[in-house]
Amino acid sequence: DQQVKQNSPSLSVQEGRISILNCDYTNSMFDYFLWYKKYPAEGPTFLISISSIKDKNEDGRFTVFLNKSAKHLSLHIVPSQPGDSAVYFCAAMVKTDKLIFGTGTRLQVFP
Amino acid sequence: GAVVSQHPSWVICKSGTSVKIECRSLDFQATTMFWYRQFPKQSLMLMATSNEGSKATYEQGVEKDKFLINHASLTLSTLTVTSAHPEDSSFYICSARDSSRGANSPLHFGNGTRLTVT
Repeated sequence: DQQVKQNSPSLSVQEGRISILNCDYTNSMFDYFLWYKKYPAEGPTFLISISSIKDKNEDGRFTVFLNKSAKHLSLHIVPSQPGDSAVYFCAAMVKTDKLIFGTGTRLQVFP
Repeated sequence: GAVVSQHPSWVICKSGTSVKIECRSLDFQATTMFWYRQFPKQSLMLMATSNEGSKATYEQGVEKDKFLINHASLTLSTLTVTSAHPEDSSFYICSARDSSRGANSPLHFGNGTRLTVT
């Protein structure tokens, strides 16, 4: 049972434009959400997070939106840069500290 | 920033042998570390939660006798894959959270270990 889903396995965006990565979850007990970026053969690196009491969090080019009623969150990257090309995982957490990952979306930013 | 060092980065072993993977938090203490496994083109799956000074908590379906976890200090957790078989070949990643920060502080990940069992 996949509690965190990223339905788009890949996304291709032109440099300078906006990248929107989506994530859906099923467990209403999740109270914290995070986005990680991963390059091949490396561990994930933390990007940005959001608490369930908020609906938006912004950090530089990265903004995460949370729609609790829809159990949906998204990561916006603007402007997209070639160095953003990687696999992006959304993850969700309940108070037990376990981090549940989505299946990932491979973002490719082309010139 | 917080650094988690994982060693080795890759290992090839013969079927039936055991392999130990180390995970160290270099500039913070971690009472809890997490071990994940990733199959090609799939998500990171939580295997177990490593607790300093006590037994690890394993996720459903993970054999605790096969994947031995030891969290002997606040900066070191080890995962030993015992009697490895080819189906254990995978990418193993550890993560840790700075104990001095809140429960919602992000996990910091090691660079992973690519295990190939021949």
